[in-house]
Amino acid sequence: GAGVSQSPSNKVTEKGKDVELRCDPISGHTALYWYRQRLGQGLEFLIYFQGNSAPDKSGLPSDRFSAERTGESVSTLTIQRTQQEDSAVYLCASSLAIDQPQHFGDGTRLSIL
Amino acid sequence: QKEVEQNSGPLSVPEGAIASLNCTYSDRGSQSFFWYRQYSGKSPELIMSIYSNGDKEDGRFTAQLNKASQYVSLLIRDSQPSDSATYLCAVNLGIFRGSTLGRLYFGRGTQLTVWP
Repeated sequence: GAGVSQSPSNKVTEKGKDVELRCDPISGHTALYWYRQRLGQGLEFLIYFQGNSAPDKSGLPSDRFSAERTGESVSTLTIQRTQQEDSAVYLCASSLAIDQPQHFGDGTRLSIL
Repeated sequence: QKEVEQNSGPLSVPEGAIASLNCTYSDRGSQSFFWYRQYSGKSPELIMSIYSNGDKEDGRFTAQLNKASQYVSLLIRDSQPSDSATYLCAVNLGIFRGSTLGRLYFGRGTQLTVWP
């Protein structure tokens, strides 16, 4: 079956522009997670969605970051007024339920010039 | 205090040896424990999940969990050069943490090199 799909795989943009990253979870997975991984660093939690519950936004680094998910389908992570420190790989993961293993997509490599 | 800590490494073992990766966690209520492998430039890949005390074996991999000691480990038997990667320990901090329910806390990873 299809895994977690993320697009674009690479994104290069100028400082100050807005970017939108997309994640399509595994079908049937109710939980969806976004992480950030800077070069040579560990995984940094950003946000997660569980069904129709309010998302846990506690990891979002600033109000320039926002994410949406409609039902149990696609999610988008939006970064407004990008800064160079936003350069990283943005990883999406999904799981059947909140205590089940998370399965990762291939990530979006974001580079801010 | 960090939620999840791993031996920092890097760890280097010869081909055919046993590689031992260790992880400790801070929250006694933790329920779910996972090991991920991450090759350079790739996304994390699930290797093992373990939920109860004791050992769980899958091929050359064995996960060990000791909730009393708040310790989880991964043993890789007959290590191969293809096992060279960063190994991430991840812990779900249990069902009593309110808004953090569902979050996985990741360690910073241990880099393993298996040399031929």
